[in-house]
Amino acid sequence: EVQLVESGGGLVQSGGSLRLSCAASGFIFKNYAMSWVRQAPGKGLEWVSGIGDSGGITFYADSVKGRFTISRDNSGNTLYLQMDSLRADDTAVYYCAKDRRVAPLWYFEVWGRGTLVTVSS
Amino acid sequence: QTVVTQEPSFSVSPGGTVTLTCGLNSGSVSTSDYPSWYQQTPGQAPRTLIYNTNVRSSGVPDRFSGTILGKRAALTITGAQADDESDYYCVLYMTNGFYVFGTGTRVTVL
Repeated sequence: EVQLVESGGGLVQSGGSLRLSCAASGFIFKNYAMSWVRQAPGKGLEWVSGIGDSGGITFYADSVKGRFTISRDNSGNTLYLQMDSLRADDTAVYYCAKDRRVAPLWYFEVWGRGTLVTVSS
Repeated sequence: QTVVTQEPSFSVSPGGTVTLTCGLNSGSVSTSDYPSWYQQTPGQAPRTLIYNTNVRSSGVPDRFSGTILGKRAALTITGAQADDESDYYCVLYMTNGFYVFGTGTRVTVL
């Protein structure tokens, strides 16, 4: 069974840092791109960042560019999101997703259950 | 800035049909935007319904279908059931490697 399990969320002060992890199982992790998607309380979904299968290419939404860093450990089947200079508007549930980032697909195939990040001002 | 718009809400009767749409502020949506659709009930993770405009994800019942209607992507629920009451999001792929989520549509079944 394909499974994604996020961890690392919590309460952090504005300006602080947090690192999220996403443990993957049930598929050959190193063969697939991955993404992070977030959802602020009561709001819609927002794509945050994506990374290619080898980790050699990364993408960021303008809202997090320069503050967040996506990375992966293919030997440990884990995706990461390093979040620095956190702001109150980064408060959200963060989901990791298996990203079928290849033509003619381009969609999120599997989702984790999410981890909540709360930034206090 | 790219904005993907969806209807805020729809109401449908049990057994009825509803069509949700997804549009781009900059122009038309086409199959080259690879529209996908996701269902989310409150407090739960999203569930993938449709990708590449009209391909159902594994395990998704055939009462969900996707297409392009005019200048917008569309998701149709035929024979709505009570557990279809959810939020629905479309996603478009931008050729620069980015994805953009739609604003979401809340569907009520009553």
